[in-house]
Amino acid sequence: GQSLEQPSEVTAVEGAIVQINCTYQTSGFYGLSWYQQHDGGAPTFLSYNALDGLEETGRFSSFLSRSDSYGYLLLQELQMKDSASYFCAVRVFRGSNYQLIWGAGTKLIIKP
Amino acid sequence: DGGITQSPKYLFRKEGQNVTLSCEQNLNHDAMYWYRQDPGQGLRLIYYSQIVNDFQKGDIAEGYSVSREKKESFPLTVTSAQKNPTAFYLCASSKGSGEYTEAFFGQGTRLTVV
Repeated sequence: GQSLEQPSEVTAVEGAIVQINCTYQTSGFYGLSWYQQHDGGAPTFLSYNALDGLEETGRFSSFLSRSDSYGYLLLQELQMKDSASYFCAVRVFRGSNYQLIWGAGTKLIIKP
Repeated sequence: DGGITQSPKYLFRKEGQNVTLSCEQNLNHDAMYWYRQDPGQGLRLIYYSQIVNDFQKGDIAEGYSVSREKKESFPLTVTSAQKNPTAFYLCASSKGSGEYTEAFFGQGTRLTVV
């Protein structure tokens, strides 16, 4: 089957750095995405990694290791507004189309 | 402004009723998706459509139906056959099935069975 594992909750302090891990078991893997969702809101796209390595976008970075079936999202200089749930999602090819398979999400709690 | 709009934001359904959730996008995207989100869980795919007049079942299509008569619109009907419909429903769109592009989401519809 296809599965993704990420921690259910992570707590960090404002101004610090936090890493949210995602491991996956899927067939037909094409890439790993990260989305942010505030309570009651819509998920918004953060990053996509198709190749191994680190992608940096401002305070957020995302890493992928295809050989380890592992990725992470790194958030630096944490701000209170970063309190949200973060989802990893793998892009796979199933049947005749690409699809996203989603993890259960990691709730990030930021303390002052 | 381009975007994706879901309505209504909140919906209450009585037992045995069918209800339809609206999803409209003006991003000129070919692909549209319906997801269901339950508390503490990820998004599960209900239906998706890559092109007008064509759609495919996702992982949890039972009890749901869709149509794609126009590129801009992808309504979801929750039928009485769906035994546990209370959930947060999210509609999304993306450019297409080729090179990866991000999915854009609507603000969601929270459906409650009363």
